[in-house]
Amino acid sequence: GAVVSQHPSRVICKSGTSVKIECRSLDFQATTMFWYRQFPKKSLMLMATSNEGSKATYEQGVEKDKFLINHASLTLSTLTVTSAHPEDSSFYICSGGTDFNTEAFFGQGTRLTVV
Amino acid sequence: KNEVEQSPQNLTAQEGEFITINCSYSVGISALHWLQQHPGGGIVSLFMLSSGKKKHGRLIATINIQEKHSSLHITASHPRDSAVYICAAYSGAGSYQLTFGKGTKLSVIP
Repeated sequence: GAVVSQHPSRVICKSGTSVKIECRSLDFQATTMFWYRQFPKKSLMLMATSNEGSKATYEQGVEKDKFLINHASLTLSTLTVTSAHPEDSSFYICSGGTDFNTEAFFGQGTRLTVV
Repeated sequence: KNEVEQSPQNLTAQEGEFITINCSYSVGISALHWLQQHPGGGIVSLFMLSSGKKKHGRLIATINIQEKHSSLHITASHPRDSAVYICAAYSGAGSYQLTFGKGTKLSVIP
C-alpha cells in the first residue's frame, strides 16, 4: 500500500524553540494532507487540512501562527511548531490522500516533548 | 458533527480468546477505518470498509451501514495483538477527513 514517511519520530526541544515535522508521500501524490494531534489517553484530533499549493485550513482553536503548515509539493507537507511550550508536548501525526482514492495513509507519528 | 463511540474502552483477554471491539457512529458515512496504534504511537491501517465484511489473517471487520455500526474481531488472539484499536469514520463522499473514536486498549495475556 501507499506509504507516508514522517520524521522525526521523536524530538525533545527547549521552550521557545521551533520544531519542524515532515511528512513525505513516497509512492503517491498527496493532494491533501491532514495533521492530527493526540494528547495522552485522548483520541486523535484534527488540527488542520492542507492542500498542495494553497493555504492550510485550521480547525477552531488551533493557532495558525503557532502551527505553520506548508504543503509546497505533492509529496511533502511540513508542520512547524513555533515558540514551543511544554503544553505543545503531544503526539503529532499526518495522513495523506489523493484525488483518486478516498483512503488516507498515515505517517508514523512524531512524539514531541518540550522541556 | 459525527460522534464515533467505541466499546469497550479497555479489554484484557487470555491468549487464544476471540475478541470483539465495537464501533458506532451517529451520522451516515461513506466508509470506516479500523486502525491499530502500538505503544510507540505509530498507526497502521487495518481495514477500510464501506459495506459487508473484510478478512485479513486473524482479523475480521464488519460494517452495517443501516445500523451505523462496525465490529472488529480478532480470532485466536496473541500477545502481539496488544495495542490500541481505533475506528475512524469518513465524513462523506469523496472526503478522507476522519472522525476518530477514543480507541480500545487491548491487552492479551499469555
